[in-house]
Amino acid sequence: SQTIHQWPATLVQPVGSPLSLECTVEGTSNPNLYWYRQAAGRGLQLLFYSVGIGQISSEVPQNLSASRPQDRQFILSSKKLLLSDSGFYLCAWRVRNRQQEQYFGPGTRLTVT
Amino acid sequence: GQSLEQPSEVTAVEGAIVQINCTYQTSGFYGLSWYQQHDGGAPTFLSYNALDGLEETGRFSSFLSRSDSYGYLLLQELQMKDSASYFCAVRDWSNTDKLIFGTGTRLQVFP
Repeated sequence: SQTIHQWPATLVQPVGSPLSLECTVEGTSNPNLYWYRQAAGRGLQLLFYSVGIGQISSEVPQNLSASRPQDRQFILSSKKLLLSDSGFYLCAWRVRNRQQEQYFGPGTRLTVT
Repeated sequence: GQSLEQPSEVTAVEGAIVQINCTYQTSGFYGLSWYQQHDGGAPTFLSYNALDGLEETGRFSSFLSRSDSYGYLLLQELQMKDSASYFCAVRDWSNTDKLIFGTGTRLQVFP
């Protein structure tokens, strides 16, 4: 069965500090991978997605970046965090032929102070 | 453009039946998905309707009418644990690798 891991679960970082969030998927090959951000009580904002190793599509121009160094690994980064980067960050994956079924990791709750 | 509309909040009591509606406006359409998200948790996939009609999975059913650009999630025999936010979603017609999510409906179940 497939499993998706995200860490850390919670993070408190000062403004201007760097960020690295990691997501890994087990039990599947060549998945599409996604990074979303969710503000409290709000919907899901797609940040990045990847259809393969090294292939990153950015949805929102901002101070975040993403990388996919391995097939089942997706990393979200920032060189300098802003207060507005606070939120709930969710990684998700889907198999190629089930475009509307996405499976989410447990999320990372980031607070920038 | 593409958009999905859902009521922001719905309330019901344990044991009741509740319907959460979703209307969509899209350039093209493949189908409608539903996701559940408990407070503090991650969304989980519930159902996908590509064709018109009702699909039942236990206490939850999902309905789609493509001619009306409308769908709903029906929750029967409500339990306290059903209190959560529910999101409908469609595939982005211009880029089918992406989903467009509705703004979500918060369901509160009271004893």
